[in-house]
Amino acid sequence: DIQMTQSPSALSASVGDRVTITCRASERISTWLAWYQQKPGKAPKLLIYKASNLDTGVPSRFSGSGSGTEFTLTISSLQPDDFASYYCQQYNTQRSSFGQGTKLEIK
Amino acid sequence: EVQLLESGGGLVQPGGSLRLSCAASGFTFGDFAMNWVRQAPGKGLEWVSTISGSGVSSSTADSVKGRFTISTDNSKNTLFLQMNSLRVEDTAVYYCAKADLFNWGAFHYWGQGTLVSVSS
Repeated sequence: DIQMTQSPSALSASVGDRVTITCRASERISTWLAWYQQKPGKAPKLLIYKASNLDTGVPSRFSGSGSGTEFTLTISSLQPDDFASYYCQQYNTQRSSFGQGTKLEIK
Repeated sequence: EVQLLESGGGLVQPGGSLRLSCAASGFTFGDFAMNWVRQAPGKGLEWVSTISGSGVSSSTADSVKGRFTISTDNSKNTLFLQMNSLRVEDTAVYYCAKADLFNWGAFHYWGQGTLVSVSS
């Protein structure tokens, strides 16, 4: 099975900061990579699919890039609503897997 | 509007069984793969199982293989997860999610989750 490794596991940042979260796949997955945001007590929300496609309604300060095994999620200017946990997910086959998550906290 | 509503969670003893349901609306159910994802208390997301829109193909995580079975009733727009031989470590919120493609895909829509607690 494909293992997904996210870094960092936790991140402290301030409103207005630019932040980047990295996800590495244990084998090549082309661009079959999604990013999700989750707030406490809520279901995850899709932000980006196919590595770089913004889902409908997602603010343009979110962006995704990468292919093969290395991927990044960037938030260009953090807003108060962005403090949450973020997960990458590979869906190269029907057997999907998630990264362990990154908790983004206010500095 | 896509809606996914899980039900069937609850408290069960180790070794017991539960059947989760996910009632879907707002889209053509048989055109998209459906999924189960779980999240243990304070932990990350874990993919559990996926079934294609036709119900012909499915995959299940090794951690639950042989104990959990995914299925659909396309006439009732409902996804199921039959969970047998439950273990304490199966305690989690279980989410159903709709993929964006027929066989598998990104999880575009999620239900609100249903809590399964396995304890004696």
